[in-house]
Amino acid sequence: KNEVEQSPQNLTAQEGEFITINCSYSVGISALHWLQQHPGGGIVSLFMLSSGKKKHGRLIATINIQEKHSSLHITASHPRDSAVYICAVSRSGGGADGLTFGKGTHLIIQP
Amino acid sequence: NAGVTQTPKFQVLKTGQSMTLQCAQDMNHEYMSWYRQDPGMGLRLIHYSVGAGITDQGEVPNGYNVSRSTTEDFPLRLLSAAPSQTSVYFCASSRTGSEAFFGQGTRLTVV
Repeated sequence: KNEVEQSPQNLTAQEGEFITINCSYSVGISALHWLQQHPGGGIVSLFMLSSGKKKHGRLIATINIQEKHSSLHITASHPRDSAVYICAVSRSGGGADGLTFGKGTHLIIQP
Repeated sequence: NAGVTQTPKFQVLKTGQSMTLQCAQDMNHEYMSWYRQDPGMGLRLIHYSVGAGITDQGEVPNGYNVSRSTTEDFPLRLLSAAPSQTSVYFCASSRTGSEAFFGQGTRLTVV
């Protein structure tokens, strides 16, 4: 069993829909990261969180430490949100001290 | 600031050749790490470093060497390239307790 599981693997939605991507993990962590990767592109950090909830624009990330579960929400989705969203966990220290990744959620937003 | 710079962006190697993938960051981050990304496998940790002079192995270290002689640089050496090392390689850096910054990736093909 993978230490970090994401669902769904693929998601296609219409522009304007509310999107939820889920991440569950089975190990102790110091922080959870949500990353975005556009096709053929680099990887960008969206959120790093160890408790509660964070919001950047239309993106919201939540984490429940007791349940070992996090969600990434996108409100009023737009075609430019189409990308792969990756959940990752760090065991200690900073975000680059050795992350363990989920396999990603491939999101397509249709106009 | 340039952030995290990886070179080269693309490389084709013959089986048995050696090469070094370069990674440099100008943010004075103590943590640096290398990952490979393969279809269906997601991102996996190869090696990481928590500071100059300190390195450790990740999930898939075989066939790769690293060193960290300065805070800025974290090169990844392929000693004798194999077709199984065909992948996209990402370098990342971070401070303690902060998000990870990724390079743009190196697409390596071993023939």
